[in-house]
Amino acid sequence: QVQLMQSGAEVKKSGASVKVSCKASGYTFTSYYVNWVRQAPGQGLEWMGRMDPHTEDTNLAQKFHGRVTMTVNRSLRTAYMELSSLKSEDTAVYYCARGYSDYKADQWGQGTLVTVSS
Amino acid sequence: QSVLTQPPSVSGAPGQRVTISCTGSSSNIGAGSVVHWYQQVPGTVPKLLIYGDNLRPSGVPDRFSGSKSGTSASLAIAGLQADDEADYYCQSYDSSRRGPVIFGGGTRLTVL
Repeated sequence: QVQLMQSGAEVKKSGASVKVSCKASGYTFTSYYVNWVRQAPGQGLEWMGRMDPHTEDTNLAQKFHGRVTMTVNRSLRTAYMELSSLKSEDTAVYYCARGYSDYKADQWGQGTLVTVSS
Repeated sequence: QSVLTQPPSVSGAPGQRVTISCTGSSSNIGAGSVVHWYQQVPGTVPKLLIYGDNLRPSGVPDRFSGSKSGTSASLAIAGLQADDEADYYCQSYDSSRRGPVIFGGGTRLTVL
Protein backbone atom coordinates (compact mmCIF):
# COMPACT_ATOMS: atom_id res chain seq x y z
CA GLN A 1 0.00 0.00 0.00
CA VAL A 2 1.05 3.60 -0.51
CA GLN A 3 2.93 5.00 2.47
CA LEU A 4 4.78 8.20 3.20
CA MET A 5 6.93 7.95 6.30
CA GLN A 6 8.29 11.18 7.74
CA SER A 7 11.16 11.85 10.09
CA GLY A 8 10.62 12.51 13.76
CA ALA A 9 9.81 15.64 15.73
CA GLU A 10 12.38 18.42 15.93
CA VAL A 11 13.05 21.25 18.37
CA LYS A 12 15.08 24.12 16.97
CA LYS A 13 16.26 27.54 18.06
CA SER A 14 15.22 30.69 16.25
CA GLY A 15 17.50 31.31 13.28
CA ALA A 16 18.39 27.68 12.82
CA SER A 17 17.37 25.37 9.97
CA VAL A 18 15.39 22.13 9.95
CA LYS A 19 15.33 19.36 7.39
CA VAL A 20 12.36 17.00 7.24
CA SER A 21 12.42 13.77 5.26
CA CYS A 22 9.61 11.85 3.61
CA LYS A 23 10.22 8.26 2.50
CA ALA A 24 7.78 6.88 -0.06
CA SER A 25 6.79 3.28 -0.65
CA GLY A 26 4.12 1.32 -2.47
CA TYR A 27 4.09 3.34 -5.70
CA THR A 28 6.35 4.61 -8.49
CA PHE A 29 8.09 7.44 -6.68
CA THR A 30 8.98 9.45 -9.78
CA SER A 31 5.45 9.43 -11.21
CA TYR A 32 3.91 11.77 -8.64
CA TYR A 33 4.73 15.14 -7.12
CA VAL A 34 5.69 15.50 -3.48
CA ASN A 35 3.84 18.37 -1.83
CA TRP A 36 4.75 19.97 1.48
CA VAL A 37 1.94 21.41 3.60
CA ARG A 38 2.18 22.78 7.12
CA GLN A 39 -0.33 23.33 9.90
CA ALA A 40 0.39 25.63 12.83
CA PRO A 41 -1.18 24.67 16.18
CA GLY A 42 -4.94 25.16 16.01
CA GLN A 43 -4.69 26.63 12.51
CA GLY A 44 -5.51 25.59 8.96
CA LEU A 45 -3.49 24.05 6.17
CA GLU A 46 -0.83 26.04 4.34
CA TRP A 47 0.73 24.84 1.08
CA MET A 48 4.47 25.40 0.97
CA GLY A 49 5.45 23.97 -2.37
CA ARG A 50 6.01 20.82 -4.35
CA MET A 51 8.74 18.95 -6.16
CA ASP A 52 8.68 16.67 -9.16
CA PRO A 53 10.96 13.77 -8.12
CA HIS A 54 11.58 12.88 -11.78
CA THR A 55 12.83 16.28 -12.98
CA GLU A 56 13.62 17.82 -9.57
CA ASP A 57 11.62 20.88 -10.65
CA THR A 58 10.31 22.80 -7.67
CA ASN A 59 7.37 25.15 -7.33
CA LEU A 60 7.22 27.18 -4.11
CA ALA A 61 4.62 29.42 -2.57
CA GLN A 62 5.83 33.00 -2.81
CA LYS A 63 6.23 33.46 0.94
CA PHE A 64 8.75 30.61 1.16
CA HIS A 65 11.04 31.68 -1.66
CA GLY A 66 14.55 32.01 -0.27
CA ARG A 67 13.81 30.03 2.89
CA VAL A 68 12.70 26.62 1.64
CA THR A 69 14.77 24.08 -0.25
CA MET A 70 13.22 20.89 -1.57
CA THR A 71 15.42 18.02 -2.64
CA VAL A 72 15.07 14.36 -3.46
CA ASN A 73 17.14 11.19 -3.38
CA ARG A 74 15.55 8.91 -5.95
CA SER A 75 17.61 5.88 -4.98
CA LEU A 76 16.26 6.16 -1.43
CA ARG A 77 12.76 7.16 -2.63
CA THR A 78 12.98 10.03 -0.19
CA ALA A 79 12.05 13.70 -0.46
CA TYR A 80 13.39 16.41 1.81
CA MET A 81 12.20 19.85 2.81
CA GLU A 82 14.62 22.24 4.50
CA LEU A 83 13.36 25.44 6.10
CA SER A 84 15.95 27.99 7.15
CA SER A 85 16.01 31.12 9.34
CA LEU A 86 13.41 29.60 11.62
CA LYS A 87 11.04 31.85 13.55
CA SER A 88 8.57 31.04 16.29
CA GLU A 89 5.78 31.34 13.70
CA ASP A 90 7.26 28.32 11.90
CA THR A 91 6.20 26.07 14.77
CA ALA A 92 3.86 23.64 13.04
CA VAL A 93 3.24 20.12 11.88
CA TYR A 94 4.82 19.64 8.47
CA TYR A 95 3.25 17.12 6.10
CA CYS A 96 4.45 15.62 2.87
CA ALA A 97 1.76 14.43 0.50
CA ARG A 98 1.67 12.63 -2.83
CA GLY A 99 0.43 15.01 -5.47
CA TYR A 100 -0.93 15.31 -8.98
CA SER A 101 -0.71 17.87 -11.75
CA ASP A 102 -4.00 19.47 -10.60
CA TYR A 103 -2.48 19.91 -7.12
CA LYS A 104 -4.67 17.41 -5.32
CA ALA A 105 -2.91 15.34 -2.68
CA ASP A 106 -4.24 11.86 -2.10
CA GLN A 107 -1.81 10.28 0.35
CA TRP A 108 -0.26 12.06 3.30
CA GLY A 109 2.62 11.38 5.62
CA GLN A 110 2.00 11.18 9.34
CA GLY A 111 3.36 14.68 9.91
CA THR A 112 6.47 16.02 11.61
CA LEU A 113 6.15 18.48 14.48
CA VAL A 114 8.74 21.23 14.32
CA THR A 115 8.94 23.43 17.41
CA VAL A 116 10.91 26.65 17.24
CA SER A 117 11.96 28.19 20.52
CA SER A 118 13.80 31.38 21.25
CA GLN B 1 -6.84 35.79 6.01
CA SER B 2 -7.42 32.97 3.53
CA VAL B 3 -7.91 33.60 -0.19
CA LEU B 4 -10.71 31.05 -0.14
CA THR B 5 -13.37 31.93 2.43
CA GLN B 6 -15.16 29.23 4.39
CA PRO B 7 -17.55 29.57 7.34
CA PRO B 8 -15.66 28.84 10.57
CA SER B 9 -18.27 26.37 11.72
CA VAL B 10 -21.42 24.52 10.72
CA SER B 11 -23.52 22.04 12.61
CA GLY B 12 -26.29 19.56 12.05
CA ALA B 13 -28.12 16.71 13.69
CA PRO B 14 -27.53 13.08 12.75
CA GLY B 15 -29.30 12.25 9.51
CA GLN B 16 -29.50 15.86 8.36
CA ARG B 17 -27.80 17.44 5.34
CA VAL B 18 -25.28 20.25 5.66
CA THR B 19 -23.36 22.29 3.15
CA ILE B 20 -20.03 24.06 3.47
CA SER B 21 -19.27 26.94 1.15
CA CYS B 22 -15.92 27.98 -0.27
CA THR B 23 -15.92 31.45 -1.80
CA GLY B 24 -13.08 32.51 -4.06
CA SER B 25 -12.49 35.06 -6.78
CA SER B 26 -11.72 35.57 -10.44
CA SER B 27 -8.11 34.47 -9.94
CA ASN B 28 -9.03 31.02 -8.67
CA ILE B 29 -12.46 29.34 -8.66
CA GLY B 30 -13.94 32.00 -10.93
CA ALA B 31 -11.21 31.34 -13.49
CA GLY B 32 -12.26 27.71 -13.68
CA SER B 33 -9.65 26.26 -11.32
CA VAL B 34 -10.71 22.91 -9.94
CA VAL B 35 -11.57 22.58 -6.29
CA HIS B 36 -10.57 19.77 -3.98
CA TRP B 37 -11.90 19.09 -0.48
CA TYR B 38 -10.17 17.49 2.48
CA GLN B 39 -11.50 16.10 5.74
CA GLN B 40 -9.36 16.24 8.87
CA VAL B 41 -10.59 14.58 12.01
CA PRO B 42 -8.87 16.35 14.94
CA GLY B 43 -5.51 14.78 15.71
CA THR B 44 -5.31 12.95 12.40
CA VAL B 45 -3.91 13.48 8.92
CA PRO B 46 -5.96 15.27 6.22
CA LYS B 47 -7.84 12.97 3.87
CA LEU B 48 -8.79 13.73 0.27
CA LEU B 49 -12.59 13.77 0.19
CA ILE B 50 -13.57 15.33 -3.15
CA TYR B 51 -11.35 16.15 -6.13
CA GLY B 52 -11.90 17.82 -9.47
CA ASP B 53 -14.89 19.78 -8.11
CA ASN B 54 -17.20 16.78 -7.70
CA LEU B 55 -15.37 13.45 -7.89
CA ARG B 56 -14.99 11.05 -4.99
CA PRO B 57 -11.86 8.95 -4.41
CA SER B 58 -12.44 5.26 -3.97
CA GLY B 59 -13.86 4.51 -0.54
CA VAL B 60 -15.52 7.88 0.05
CA PRO B 61 -19.27 7.40 0.58
CA ASP B 62 -21.66 9.01 -1.88
CA ARG B 63 -23.11 10.97 1.06
CA PHE B 64 -20.34 13.45 0.24
CA SER B 65 -20.72 15.55 -2.88
CA GLY B 66 -19.12 18.64 -4.37
CA SER B 67 -20.34 21.36 -6.68
CA LYS B 68 -19.10 24.61 -8.14
CA SER B 69 -20.69 27.72 -9.60
CA GLY B 70 -19.15 31.05 -10.48
CA THR B 71 -16.58 32.00 -7.88
CA SER B 72 -17.80 29.52 -5.25
CA ALA B 73 -17.76 25.84 -4.49
CA SER B 74 -19.72 23.78 -2.00
CA LEU B 75 -19.35 20.53 -0.15
CA ALA B 76 -22.57 18.77 0.81
CA ILE B 77 -22.80 16.01 3.40
CA ALA B 78 -26.03 14.07 3.50
CA GLY B 79 -27.20 11.71 6.22
CA LEU B 80 -24.87 13.18 8.85
CA GLN B 81 -23.10 10.70 11.06
CA ALA B 82 -21.20 11.23 14.29
CA ASP B 83 -17.88 10.40 12.68
CA ASP B 84 -18.35 13.15 10.12
CA GLU B 85 -17.38 15.57 12.88
CA ALA B 86 -14.15 17.06 11.57
CA ASP B 87 -12.53 20.06 9.92
CA TYR B 88 -13.11 20.47 6.19
CA TYR B 89 -10.83 22.40 3.85
CA CYS B 90 -11.27 23.47 0.25
CA GLN B 91 -8.24 23.85 -2.00
CA SER B 92 -7.75 25.39 -5.41
CA TYR B 93 -5.23 26.91 -7.78
CA ASP B 94 -4.74 30.68 -7.77
CA SER B 95 -3.05 32.59 -10.59
CA SER B 96 -2.08 35.56 -8.45
CA ARG B 97 1.08 35.88 -6.38
CA ARG B 98 -0.86 34.35 -3.47
CA GLY B 99 -0.76 30.99 -5.26
CA PRO B 100 -0.30 28.71 -6.88
CA VAL B 101 -2.06 26.55 -4.29
CA ILE B 102 -4.45 28.00 -1.76
CA PHE B 103 -6.54 26.48 1.01
CA GLY B 104 -9.66 27.77 2.62
CA GLY B 105 -9.44 28.59 6.29
CA GLY B 106 -11.33 25.44 7.22
CA THR B 107 -14.78 24.71 8.58
CA ARG B 108 -15.41 22.78 11.78
CA LEU B 109 -18.44 20.51 11.43
CA THR B 110 -20.16 19.64 14.67
CA VAL B 111 -22.68 16.80 14.73
CA LEU B 112 -25.19 17.69 17.41
